Amino acid sequence: DQQVKQNSPSLSVQEGRISILNCDYTNSMFDYFLWYKKYPAEGPTFLISISSIKDKNEDGRFTVFLNKSAKHLSLHIVPSQPGDSAVYFCAANSNRFGNEKLTFGTGTRLTIIP
Amino acid sequence: GAVVSQHPSRVICKSGTSVKIECRSLDFQATTMFWYRQFPKQSLMLMATSNEGSKATYEQGVEKDKFLINHASLTLSTLTVTSAHPEDSSFYICSAPIAGVYEQYFGPGTRLTVT
Repeated sequence: DQQVKQNSPSLSVQEGRISILNCDYTNSMFDYFLWYKKYPAEGPTFLISISSIKDKNEDGRFTVFLNKSAKHLSLHIVPSQPGDSAVYFCAANSNRFGNEKLTFGTGTRLTIIP
Repeated sequence: GAVVSQHPSRVICKSGTSVKIECRSLDFQATTMFWYRQFPKQSLMLMATSNEGSKATYEQGVEKDKFLINHASLTLSTLTVTSAHPEDSSFYICSAPIAGVYEQYFGPGTRLTVT
């Protein structure tokens, strides 16, 4: 049972345009959501997160939107840069204190076209 | 920021041998660490939760006798792949959360190739 889903395995976006990566979840107990970026043969690096009490969090070029009623979140990257090409994972956490395992989505491979 | 290291970064071993992978939190203490594996073009699969001073908790379908986990100190967890076979070839990644912070920090991963 895939509780966190990323239905687009890949996405190509022109440099300078907006990249929108989507993520859906089924478990209503999740209360914290995170986006990670991963390059090949490296561990994931944390990008941005959002608590379920918010519907938007922004950090530079990255913005995460959360729609709790739809159980959907998205990551917007604008403007997209070639260095953004990587696999992006969304993840969810159901424990407020952080020492709880993350449930990951299947990932979306983002390719920025110069 | 918080740093998690893994050693070795890559290892090649013969079928039937055992391989130990270390995961260290470099500037913080981690009572819990997580071990993942990633197959090519697939998501991160949580294998087990490593608990300092107690037994690891394994996810369904993960053989605890094959993937031995030891969390002997607050900064070190080890994963030993015993009697490795070619199907164990994979990318193994550990992570550690910091108490009070939601984000987990990941190590750089270990590429295991069993020949």
